[in-house]
Amino acid sequence: AQTVTQSQPEMSVQEAETVTLSCTYDTSESDYYLFWYKQPPSRQMILVIRQEAYKQQNATENRFSVNFQKAAKSFSLKISDSQLGDAAMYFCAYSTRGNKLVFGAGTILRVKS
Amino acid sequence: EAQVTQNPRYLITVTGKKLTVTCSQNMNHEYMSWYRQDPGLGLRQIYYSMNVEVTDKGDVPEGYKVSRKEKRNFPLILESPSPNQTSLYFCASSLTSNNEQFFGPGTRLTVL
Repeated sequence: AQTVTQSQPEMSVQEAETVTLSCTYDTSESDYYLFWYKQPPSRQMILVIRQEAYKQQNATENRFSVNFQKAAKSFSLKISDSQLGDAAMYFCAYSTRGNKLVFGAGTILRVKS
Repeated sequence: EAQVTQNPRYLITVTGKKLTVTCSQNMNHEYMSWYRQDPGLGLRQIYYSMNVEVTDKGDVPEGYKVSRKEKRNFPLILESPSPNQTSLYFCASSLTSNNEQFFGPGTRLTVL
């Protein structure tokens, strides 16, 4: 079964600094999609970034970028110039060929001013 | 406005009393899905649907039913709720499972 592991239950970062959230996954598939979602205190789920496994280039969205290491099955999220509004729970997710979506347990990110 | 709506947003019920949580999307998405969120476990997929009349089990389908009679609606049915189904539930929709999921606002369910 596919699994997604986020090994950091909580992380803290100083405002304007950079932080990296870790995610590893387990799969035997070669073609799949990976996502990072953000859940602020409002509970609304918001897509941060999406990566296709067949693309070697790492996805970026403004201050958010990923380090996708396919062989290591690693998909970390880097947040640059952290802002107070980045404080949230972050979920890593994987989309299987069988159309299932598997989420990690989440990482709470705290941003200190 | 493109959105996914869920009702009710909050529900307190008792063991064994059948309930339905509705989910509707106005984006003509083919893929819809239900998740439950529990502390320390993240989101776990309950059921998903790839199109009208096409549904399949996710990772935690026990105790739940779904139906997809129309493209826009995907209700979640708990025939006989139990306390271990107390959770935060999310409905989501997307073009396919590989695209961005658009989530509803969540339904906080408490089963006493």
